[in-house]
Amino acid sequence: EPEVTQTPSHQVTQMGQEVILRCVPISNHLYFYWYRQILGQKVEFLVSFYNNEISEKSEIFDDQFSVERPDGSNFTLKIRSTKLEDSAMYFCARFPRQVRDYTFGSGTRLTVV
Amino acid sequence: QKEVEQNSGPLSVPEGAIASLNCTYSDRGSQSFFWYRQYSGKSPELIMFIYSNGDKEDGRFTAQLNKASQYVSLLIRDSQPSDSATYLCAALGGSYIPTFGRGTSLIVHP
Repeated sequence: EPEVTQTPSHQVTQMGQEVILRCVPISNHLYFYWYRQILGQKVEFLVSFYNNEISEKSEIFDDQFSVERPDGSNFTLKIRSTKLEDSAMYFCARFPRQVRDYTFGSGTRLTVV
Repeated sequence: QKEVEQNSGPLSVPEGAIASLNCTYSDRGSQSFFWYRQYSGKSPELIMFIYSNGDKEDGRFTAQLNKASQYVSLLIRDSQPSDSATYLCAALGGSYIPTFGRGTSLIVHP
């Protein structure tokens, strides 16, 4: 069972709506990451977050996306105006102190209709 | 452009056989490598991590790394039907952001 819990596990939303995906990691994690995986495709990096700031982001992570750690523990990914092509599995990942512990959360399946 | 290449498969092996999964990477700066197992609709599960040339064994799994050839492999001994999944190879460079391959689908049939 992943140590990082994501909520919701599945979300269906209408095109143009805003969605917020949540990641609840165990404390003492240094880096957090968001990835997405379109069905049948590669796991793709979206953004990394260190010390409450964006560390790196990919070309996919455009102005429609934002990340926050609003209460110091939960870690959120917001998509402001969803498009059909945003339908994917979204994973957060944690990287505590050792590279070998790079593990993924339980995932959220986002379906945009 | 950093690329990690895997044969998409499916690779089909009988129960009890050795499954051999291969991965090549383009970035010579890659230092560490991961193998993840992913069941359909689930998140990737880390099964092996390797950073030194040679073999690393953990139970039924052996990861092999050859940095000169830019090649990583995963051997699964005594394959079980429960091993049927997609296996993702990932390469990690200095940015701590792994680059993933598309994965190889493994089917272990009784």
